[in-house]
Amino acid sequence: SAVISQKPSRDICQRGTSLTIQCQVDSQVTMMFWYRQQPGQSLTLIATANQGSEATYESGFVIDKFPISRPNLTFSTLTVSNMSPEDSSIYLCSVGGHRGTDTQYFGPGTRLTVL
Amino acid sequence: QKEVEQNSGPLSVPEGAIASLNCTYSDRVSQSFFWYRQYSGKSPELIMSIYSNGDKEDGRFTAQLNKASQYVSLLIRDSQPSDSATYLCAVERNFGNEKLTFGTGTRLTIIP
Repeated sequence: SAVISQKPSRDICQRGTSLTIQCQVDSQVTMMFWYRQQPGQSLTLIATANQGSEATYESGFVIDKFPISRPNLTFSTLTVSNMSPEDSSIYLCSVGGHRGTDTQYFGPGTRLTVL
Repeated sequence: QKEVEQNSGPLSVPEGAIASLNCTYSDRVSQSFFWYRQYSGKSPELIMSIYSNGDKEDGRFTAQLNKASQYVSLLIRDSQPSDSATYLCAVERNFGNEKLTFGTGTRLTIIP
């Protein structure tokens, strides 16, 4: 499976500020995704990070709030902008298309608390 | 109707018994099905993938798929306390599309 790292692993932020989360993979992958998992809930897809083009956002998520970069096939960032306490969640990146499979593997996650 | 439905549990199973986890999905054209295990405070890890009707076995785990009934299940034989976790069912509409829809998860507790 792919080895995925995320930074930071956790952070506590003030309302109105922004946080950028990094996701690094140990090999080139076709697809990278960003999910949110709110306390006690399942995973909700925020967007698909496309290399060389703009991210594709799911219903309820917008680029102004969650800008995403994908500069190459091993790296992506998600920014949570103008944060409010409702953004407190675990943010997970995942990768797909690793070695030709359609299996998705998850990074360790970033636990965000907004005060 | 939710796209992917699971019984949220908690499901309690004695150690050594078989744990049975169920999942139904609404999109009839779904192609790929996955079971993930998530320990508290950790990210999901893949246990099984299944693409064809029938059973697929991997060690103590067996995934079962019935596309006609839009039903996928996971059996855990000889349950161990380390199997206590939340199990997430995920469905992919098109092979290679890789956009997964997750169920809400079933919390499984193995009782020693």
